[in-house]
Amino acid sequence: AQKVTQAQTEISVVEKEDVTLDCVYETRDTTYYLFWYKQPPSGELVFLIRRNSFDEQNEISGRYSWNFQKSTSSFNFTITASQVVDSAVYFCALSEAWSGGSNYKLTFGKGTLLTVNP
Amino acid sequence: DARVTQTPRHKVTEMGQEVTMRCQPILGHNTVFWYRQTMMQGLELLAYFRNRAPLDDSGMPKDRFSAEMPDATLATLKIQPSEPRDSAVYFCASGLVSGAGELFFGEGSRLTVL
Repeated sequence: AQKVTQAQTEISVVEKEDVTLDCVYETRDTTYYLFWYKQPPSGELVFLIRRNSFDEQNEISGRYSWNFQKSTSSFNFTITASQVVDSAVYFCALSEAWSGGSNYKLTFGKGTLLTVNP
Repeated sequence: DARVTQTPRHKVTEMGQEVTMRCQPILGHNTVFWYRQTMMQGLELLAYFRNRAPLDDSGMPKDRFSAEMPDATLATLKIQPSEPRDSAVYFCASGLVSGAGELFFGEGSRLTVL
């Protein structure tokens, strides 16, 4: 069975601080996909990134960066120079691979509530 | 700007009543999901359609829940009879099997069963 653990339930930082959200996963599949989604106060989930299990290269997108470590089954998310608008619940998710792509059957972690204070 | 549209956004009903939630996936998307979000359980997959065919509804209480896609532009989730423990936010999401792996979520339907 697949499992995603986000040990940090809540994190509070002051604007401009860097913050890392942890994600640890469990799966028996050799091919799988990892995701991060953001849920702002408005409620809808917004896709941030997808990573497949064969690509351990770290990724940077603006102030966001992701560190995938297959050896420790972790897929951590770092926000550099956090801003108030980053305040949201962040979900890490895992899906098995299907015919060369994700089948989208996502197993979500419980989420981390990030509050960025001015 | 293409979006997944869900109705109603909010619903308050009494125990025993039938509830129907509707979802309009993004035009051209061939996968549709229903997820339920509660404080205790987090996000749980209820049902999953590909090309309108139900592929997986193992997360759904079969005795009271049903999910259908009458056509490519409409997915429905019905609860009959509703119970207080069904109170949650229900999300619909759509995507493309051949896409980049991004699922587009609607804003959710917040259900309260009294």
